[in-house]
Amino acid sequence: DTGVSQDPRHKITKRGQNVTFRCDPISEHNRLYWYRQTLGQGPEFLTYFQNEAQLEKSRLLSDRFSAERPKGSFSTLEIQRTEQGDSAMYLCASSLGPTTGANEQFFGPGTRLTVL
Amino acid sequence: AQKVTQAQTEISVVEKEDVTLDCVYETRDTTYYLFWYKQPPSGELVFLIRRNSFDEQNEISGRYSWNFQKSTSSFNFTITASQVVDSAVYFCALGRYAGNMLTFGGGTRLMVKP
Repeated sequence: DTGVSQDPRHKITKRGQNVTFRCDPISEHNRLYWYRQTLGQGPEFLTYFQNEAQLEKSRLLSDRFSAERPKGSFSTLEIQRTEQGDSAMYLCASSLGPTTGANEQFFGPGTRLTVL
Repeated sequence: AQKVTQAQTEISVVEKEDVTLDCVYETRDTTYYLFWYKQPPSGELVFLIRRNSFDEQNEISGRYSWNFQKSTSSFNFTITASQVVDSAVYFCALGRYAGNMLTFGGGTRLMVKP
């Protein structure tokens, strides 16, 4: 399978714990995005990387959230001191960079986080 | 600021009916991209189409067609002869020309009954 993969698919944690999610993009894609989707809503942008550089962060991304893409391949999203409001589906997407002038993003299956 | 509005939260049709999903957007950019994605019950967003703002030609792909009207800032999606497998949530999204974040609408849940 050469699509975007995410791990784990589901995560249940207690309030105050730290969690980390992983995303593996499509191999030739240099851009990687994180979105959050709550029930009944459209995805909301969190952050994106071009290669290993984090180029944009949403105001939704509080200090408790951090994302990395150390070698320009896979990425991790960490949430520290989780709160019940963090419960959502966390989606990762990847795309080719701006050289094509296009940015259709291909999404992974998501990680569903439940904070008790 | 960019905004996408999908006023229809839920639509129910009977199989073989045609259905149109509305999308209205707001942007100050003169060049931008518009997208439609499908999210079936399995949850994974599936890319359907991308349209450049400088190309207003309508597009047809099988039973799917898209009507882009820059004058009314709309990018509507029509499914002809709907099928049960079309049941899903459909999202319209707006992207900047430089290609970073997508701004999604709230989605329209389409239910196609046999």
